[in-house]
Amino acid sequence: AQSVTQLGSHVSVSEGALVLLRCNYSSSVPPYLFWYVQYPNQGLQLLLKYTSAATLVKGINGFEAEFKKSETSFHLTKPSAHMSDAAEYFCAVSPGSSNTGKLIFGQGTTLQVKP
Amino acid sequence: DAGVIQSPRHEVTEMGQEVTLRCKPISGHDYLFWYRQTMMRGLELLIYFNNNVPIDDSGMPEDRFSAKMPNASFSTLKIQPSEPRDSAVYFCASSLQGNYGYTFGSGTRLTVV
Repeated sequence: AQSVTQLGSHVSVSEGALVLLRCNYSSSVPPYLFWYVQYPNQGLQLLLKYTSAATLVKGINGFEAEFKKSETSFHLTKPSAHMSDAAEYFCAVSPGSSNTGKLIFGQGTTLQVKP
Repeated sequence: DAGVIQSPRHEVTEMGQEVTLRCKPISGHDYLFWYRQTMMRGLELLIYFNNNVPIDDSGMPEDRFSAKMPNASFSTLKIQPSEPRDSAVYFCASSLQGNYGYTFGSGTRLTVV
């Protein structure tokens, strides 16, 4: 079975500061991992995905995430926050090998960016 | 591509009424998912289809909920009768081969009064 834990339901940073959103996963098989972003009143948009290739994954809008098997983590980072990054972020996991198509989402982290 | 299209964007209905939510997936995608999002429970997978066939409906909360996918370009989620606790944002998503990331629609905000 797969599960995802996002540490911190709310994260607040100043504009220009480092963004770090934490995600830990549990999976009995090698996982595929994803980060999605949701802006107010919109659907979720894929930021980046790990599918067993390079462990450091670069996504859209300057975000990146590193898959660390030893820590069962897939934290999302961005070197310098922008006001437009304020949104809710979701980490998700699926069992990569069995291709069930089923994504399990974390509870989400709301990112606030202060001027 | 126009993306995943959901209709209506907003629906307000009275308790006991039937509600039908509609979804048009991205052409060529072989998986379709219905999710519900609430503040209390976050994102919940209700049901998903592969090649128009329901694969897992274990997340459908009650018999009042039903979903169909009559063809590759259309799916419906029906609630009959609706209750206030069904109020939520319902998302449809589609993907190619399941595990490579979904594309979500903009959602339907359902309010049952």
